[in-house]
Amino acid sequence: SQQGEEDPQALSIQEGENATMNCSYKTSINNLQWYRQNSGRGLVHLILIRSNEREKHSGRLRVTLDTSKKSSSLLITASRAADTASYFCATYNNNDMRFGAGTRLTVKP
Amino acid sequence: DTGVSQNPRHKITKRGQNVTFRCDPISEHNRLYWYRQTLGQGPEFLTYFQNEAQLEKSRLLSDRFSAERPKGSFSTLEIQRTEQGDSAMYLCASSFEGPTEAFFGQGTRLTVV
Repeated sequence: SQQGEEDPQALSIQEGENATMNCSYKTSINNLQWYRQNSGRGLVHLILIRSNEREKHSGRLRVTLDTSKKSSSLLITASRAADTASYFCATYNNNDMRFGAGTRLTVKP
Repeated sequence: DTGVSQNPRHKITKRGQNVTFRCDPISEHNRLYWYRQTLGQGPEFLTYFQNEAQLEKSRLLSDRFSAERPKGSFSTLEIQRTEQGDSAMYLCASSFEGPTEAFFGQGTRLTVV
């Protein structure tokens, strides 16, 4: 079963623009993580935000977490064509990690 | 250590046959996860191990599926009497104990014909 739901399901932008993806979840969490997946490949960890954190940065990535609304957002600034991929949020609760359905991001050169 | 390794990368099998996949995690990691992913969907949790103990198994996992992790090292996922609906990418991930990042393998793509 899946825990999170990403929004939008698909996003298409021009190179240089910012991309924002949202994730909503249902239960309490220890942390929330974002992963990236290129077509047909495994997932790569991008960033982890703990339940007591509200915002975190890593390079061009900015993640926010609102535990009262059970939601998170991932912002990719100054997007590049190489950012084209699917992005998934994953919620970690005690012992396991559950993923949402993902946002498919296309960055046009 | 080259990361999480999964074998084979691709498997085509006839309906009704048994298949087995292998996952070699990062050697220091004591957590190992199995997920299934179909096209356009996110990874669906199947089961996970803490060392050699299988601690949780999805209710979606029928009795045709079994996973082992002998000695807490590599893991195998076996599907018996495969069905066309089993066609998917099977992903393995490993991590340290606790709420930390997971490292994924490249997956095994199963096609049941």
